[in-house]
Amino acid sequence: SQQGEEDPQALSIQEGENATMNCSYKTSINNLQWYRQNSGRGLVHLILIRSNEREKHSGRLRVTLDTSKKSSSLLITASRAADTASYFCATGTYSGGGADGLTFGKGTHLIIQP
Amino acid sequence: GAVVSQHPSWVICKSGTSVKIECRSLDFQATTMFWYRQFPKQSLMLMATSNEGSKATYEQGVEKDKFLINHASLTLSTLTVTSAHPEDSSFYICSARDLTGGRHYGYTFGSGTRLTVV
Repeated sequence: SQQGEEDPQALSIQEGENATMNCSYKTSINNLQWYRQNSGRGLVHLILIRSNEREKHSGRLRVTLDTSKKSSSLLITASRAADTASYFCATGTYSGGGADGLTFGKGTHLIIQP
Repeated sequence: GAVVSQHPSWVICKSGTSVKIECRSLDFQATTMFWYRQFPKQSLMLMATSNEGSKATYEQGVEKDKFLINHASLTLSTLTVTSAHPEDSSFYICSARDLTGGRHYGYTFGSGTRLTVV
């Protein structure tokens, strides 16, 4: 089953505005990650939040995690044209020294209008 | 930071032929690498987990005889799409996680391979 459902699926805003994307998941997780993908390219890791964390910041990015609601949000403040990309949340269930594959959501396509 | 190199970036092949895609971890050793497939305007789907020195673990619905994975060294995993058909046309992406010293918990992705089967 699809883990990690983002909404909205597409978002178009003006440069300088804030962009908020949401992600919901279904199973228990160890961590949740957000990635950016420019068209036809690989993924760039943005931020990881562990299941025992509620909020995390990195530059213009702010991620929240609500494990009781099985949801997360990614906020990009003061958006720039270069932020135009698809954003995916991904959940990981690894623990300890192992490494498990990620389960990705459907993604939000963000367009920043100059 | 951790870097994963994937080659080729794109490939066009004839139906019925085989295509090999390489994934290399450049500055770290990866005992485990992952292969994903992404269809246009869709999300990434995990195909298989590649384990150095042992058999790969395939996700449900992925044909192991069609998508051959070899992880012969700690820095290289290969995915071979055998007897490719047009429906195998997709964007294939590998990733690895640098577990060395726990300094990086995110997964590093290759730049992807666009496969077109004609």
